[in-house]
Amino acid sequence: LAKTTQPISMDSYEGQEVNITCSHNNIATNDYITWYQQFPSQGPRFIIQGYKTKVTNEVASLFIPADRKSSTLSLPRVSLSDTAVYYCLVGALHSNYQLIWGAGTKLIIKP
Amino acid sequence: DAGITQSPRHKVTETGTPVTLRCHQTENHRYMYWYRQDPGHGLRLIHYSYGVKDTDKGEVSDGYSVSRSKTEDFLLTLESATSSQTSVYFCAISVGGDSYEQYFGPGTRLTVT
Repeated sequence: LAKTTQPISMDSYEGQEVNITCSHNNIATNDYITWYQQFPSQGPRFIIQGYKTKVTNEVASLFIPADRKSSTLSLPRVSLSDTAVYYCLVGALHSNYQLIWGAGTKLIIKP
Repeated sequence: DAGITQSPRHKVTETGTPVTLRCHQTENHRYMYWYRQDPGHGLRLIHYSYGVKDTDKGEVSDGYSVSRSKTEDFLLTLESATSSQTSVYFCAISVGGDSYEQYFGPGTRLTVT
């Protein structure tokens, strides 16, 4: 199972771009990279998914280098409401479940 | 929210009693999951289901059983609750295919005294 390593916590300020990097040295050929956001007392919420290069949606971008041993979640122009825990996952889902949820990165946005 | 509800939302029970948590979805998704989350930790998979009557164990399945007799319902049973099973339990569904997007229910906070 691919294990991920993320910073335990990060601070930033409103309006800044925030980049959270995840290390996954043992990623397998078929593994996808997925990021989730979790607010207190709520279930996680899907942010973005990627396999290689760059993926962008309306809330974030995901950068994956060619070797796929790491990935970076980029949140543009954060606001106070982006304060949450962010999880990086790699592995298989569905009928071959192999996801490991680490402790995530606690992101605190300051005014 | 993908039409996922969990019941009960809160429960306090005594050690040794059986407890059943229910997850209900309204969109006929094939894959359903039960997780537990303890303070300061990520989620840990208990059991998952890939169809009616098709289930498999996850990372922390000891002391738990599941059943799925209908597509829309996935039940988690603590056969004899222990204090170590005090946790927040989340149910999730996924849409399948190449998407790794899971939708989570609101959670059930279970306290075993």
